[in-house]
Amino acid sequence: AQSVTQLDSQVPVFEEAPVELRCNYSSSVSVYLFWYVQYPNQGLQLLLKYLSGSTLVKGINGFEAEFNKSQTSFHLRKPSVHISDTAEYFCAVNNDMRFGAGTRLTVKP
Amino acid sequence: DTGVSQDPRHKITKRGQNVTFRCDPISEHNRLYWYRQTLGQGPEFLTYFQNEAQLEKSRLLSDRFSAERPKGSFSTLEIQRTEQGDSAMYLCASSLFGGGRNTEAFFGQGTRLTVV
Repeated sequence: AQSVTQLDSQVPVFEEAPVELRCNYSSSVSVYLFWYVQYPNQGLQLLLKYLSGSTLVKGINGFEAEFNKSQTSFHLRKPSVHISDTAEYFCAVNNDMRFGAGTRLTVKP
Repeated sequence: DTGVSQDPRHKITKRGQNVTFRCDPISEHNRLYWYRQTLGQGPEFLTYFQNEAQLEKSRLLSDRFSAERPKGSFSTLEIQRTEQGDSAMYLCASSLFGGGRNTEAFFGQGTRLTVV
């Protein structure tokens, strides 16, 4: 069985501050990992994905994530956030696409 | 290809009625997923198909819910005897899996169901 745990349900940060959204997974098979973003009243769109290769993955809008097999983690980071990054962020695992409960990122001016 | 499309976009129904939603995936995608999402929550997995085979169905899904993908292309999700608790956004997604060409899941815009 596969599962995803997003450790923080809400993350408030000030504009231009760095942010890390945490994701831990459990999987008994080879791992594919994804981060999606959902802006208010919009659908889910892919931020970045890890399928194989380099453990540091860069995505859209300046986000990146690092696959850490020993810690079973795939944390999402951005060095400097903008107001427009305010959204719900979801981590997902493998190809039956189980999602975490989400982390609401709120960027304050 | 215009992406994953879902129909209808909105559905209002009376409690006890049956509803059916349709999802058309990206044409070359062999996997199709159904999720339910309520306000402030993540997508809750309902079921998924690989081609026409339904590979998994959530244990949380009652017998009132059924999904089909008869020809391995479009899929339908039917909810029988709807209850107010079924009110949610129903999301469909598709992906390509296997043959070394795994992709992420691409989502449709969803069908918003309101049971009154």
